Amino acid sequence: AQSVTQLGSHVSVSEGALVLLRCNYSSSVPPYLFWYVQYPNQGLQLLLKYTSAATLVKGINGFEAEFKKSETSFHLTKPSAHMSDAAEYFCAVSLQGNNDMRFGAGTRLTVKP
Amino acid sequence: NAGVTQTPKFQVLKTGQSMTLQCAQDMNHEYMSWYRQDPGMGLRLIHYSVGAGITDQGEVPNGYNVSRSTTEDFPLRLLSAAPSQTSVYFCASRDTTGELFFGEGSRLTVL
Repeated sequence: AQSVTQLGSHVSVSEGALVLLRCNYSSSVPPYLFWYVQYPNQGLQLLLKYTSAATLVKGINGFEAEFKKSETSFHLTKPSAHMSDAAEYFCAVSLQGNNDMRFGAGTRLTVKP
Repeated sequence: NAGVTQTPKFQVLKTGQSMTLQCAQDMNHEYMSWYRQDPGMGLRLIHYSVGAGITDQGEVPNGYNVSRSTTEDFPLRLLSAAPSQTSVYFCASRDTTGELFFGEGSRLTVL
């Protein structure tokens, strides 16, 4: 079965600094990859997704992620953190035609003023 | 835009009690699912459905039942609640591109 590993349960950055959240996946076939964000006491909402088109994917709120097959990675980045980016971020993987989307354990992003 | 609606938002149960978490979506999505979220474990799939009359087990199905009589509704039943089922539960539906749309969650405490 497919799986994802998120490196770092907590990441802290200063406002204006680079945000880098790491995600590695395991899959026997080309995967679909997703990043979701969860704000306190809310459900998850999609930031961006990779479904075998362009390897550099741009999402909402200035986030982007690059699919690197050789590294089995799908890291999330944002050039300049904003206070409003403080949230929990989840990487997820599914396979085409498969009904089981697997989520990572999540990374909590803190943004310091 | 209603999207995915879950009720109740909060519930406290005693061990052995039963309850149903309700989920409804108005996007005409065939696929619906239930996840539970626990600290440090991300979201784990409990049950899912690919259409009315069809359900299947996910990663952690034990202790939960589901049914899908209509496209819109996908209730999750706990027949005999246990403290290990204390969690936050999310219902989600999925569109044809694979994107999941989540409800706001139901926080369940079992004493």
